[in-house]
Amino acid sequence: EAGVTQFPSHSVIEKGQTVTLRCDPISGHDNLYWYRRVMGKEIKFLLHFVKESKQDESGMPNNRFLAERTGGTYSTLKVQPAELEDSGVYFCASSTGLLYGYTFGSGTRLTVV
Amino acid sequence: QKEVEQNSGPLSVPEGAIASLNCTYSDRGSQSFFWYRQYSGKSPELIMSIYSNGDKEDGRFTAQLNKASQYVSLLIRDSQPCDSATYLCAVHLTGTASKLTFGTGTRLQVTL
Repeated sequence: EAGVTQFPSHSVIEKGQTVTLRCDPISGHDNLYWYRRVMGKEIKFLLHFVKESKQDESGMPNNRFLAERTGGTYSTLKVQPAELEDSGVYFCASSTGLLYGYTFGSGTRLTVV
Repeated sequence: QKEVEQNSGPLSVPEGAIASLNCTYSDRGSQSFFWYRQYSGKSPELIMSIYSNGDKEDGRFTAQLNKASQYVSLLIRDSQPCDSATYLCAVHLTGTASKLTFGTGTRLQVTL
């Protein structure tokens, strides 16, 4: 079974630019999550999709962040315009249900300079 | 008070010893608890889940849950150098759909 795939693995962009992160969940996993880890802090929830619907987006920092999951398959997370404080590692995870825990992708390390 | 608290470490144990990792949480109604292992630069990997009070064993790993005291711990028996990693405690807090709340993690170093 293929795991959760994220790309790019690294992205360095200038403040004010736009970046789009992509996540391909495990096939058949209806639940898809985005999390972020800022250096020195804990992994924090951003949002949760069930299929193509946003179930919970309470963790999205502001309206510069836009997540989509068209067709209920892969998901994108766009940051526009990027700010310095957006730097961190963005993890995507998928699951069939909470009782089974999540499977995480390898993350995208975003650096805004 | 943080919702999920862990000592950041590093926790250093000699090879072959028992490593004990602790986590406390603030929400008394929490029902689901998870331990993830994260090697440097890698993704978190689920190693244990626990839902009921008491112990749950899986190989060299034992998760312990005490809901009355609001703590969950992970014991690693016969610690090996390959166990050196950051261990993340994650809790499903009441009323948060299927969102997990993570602690900052405890870095474990197993020394030769």
